[in-house]
Amino acid sequence: GAGVSQSPSNKVTEKGKDVELRCDPISGHTALYWYRQSLGQGLEFLIYFQGNSAPDKSGLPSDRFSAERTGGSVSTLTIQRTQQEDSAVYLCASSLSSGGLQETQYFGPGTRLLVL
Amino acid sequence: QKEVEQNSGPLSVPEGAIASLNCTYSDRGSQSFFWYRQYSGKSPELIMFIYSNGDKEDGRFTAQLNKASQYVSLLIRDSQPSDSATYLCAVNMRGTGNQFYFGTGTSLTVIP
Repeated sequence: GAGVSQSPSNKVTEKGKDVELRCDPISGHTALYWYRQSLGQGLEFLIYFQGNSAPDKSGLPSDRFSAERTGGSVSTLTIQRTQQEDSAVYLCASSLSSGGLQETQYFGPGTRLLVL
Repeated sequence: QKEVEQNSGPLSVPEGAIASLNCTYSDRGSQSFFWYRQYSGKSPELIMFIYSNGDKEDGRFTAQLNKASQYVSLLIRDSQPSDSATYLCAVNMRGTGNQFYFGTGTSLTVIP
């Protein structure tokens, strides 16, 4: 079946502009996660959705970052007034959220954001 | 203290050898543990998960979990050049919603 998809795959923007990143999870997956990965670094957790609710927004680095999810499916991550330090790969993952120990995340291909 | 720690490497092993990757975690309540492989420029892909103490084998890969020592490892037998990648350890700390904590990854190079 279809995996997690993200768009755009690459985005170049100018400092100060707003950007919107999209994630389409695996069908039936109720949990959705956003991570950021800077060059050569590990995964930085940003936000987690269970359905349309975000019980954990603790990873959002500043109030310029926001995310929403509608219909329990597609999610958008918005970065306002982008800064050069926002340049990174933004990864989305989804999981069934069945509550079991085998709960597993599956990742999308990522959006590579470059802020000039 | 980071929730999940890995030696960043790089780790180099000759082709055909056993590669051993290690990960420690801080939360004793952690329940599930995952190993992901990430090729350069690509997104992480799941190799295997483990949640019971002991060993779990899947082909050339063996995950080992020791909850008393808060330690999880990944062994890759008969290492191949195609195994060269960064390996990420992830921990699901239940009781904190459904958040997964990732280590920074260990870079592995298998030398032909």
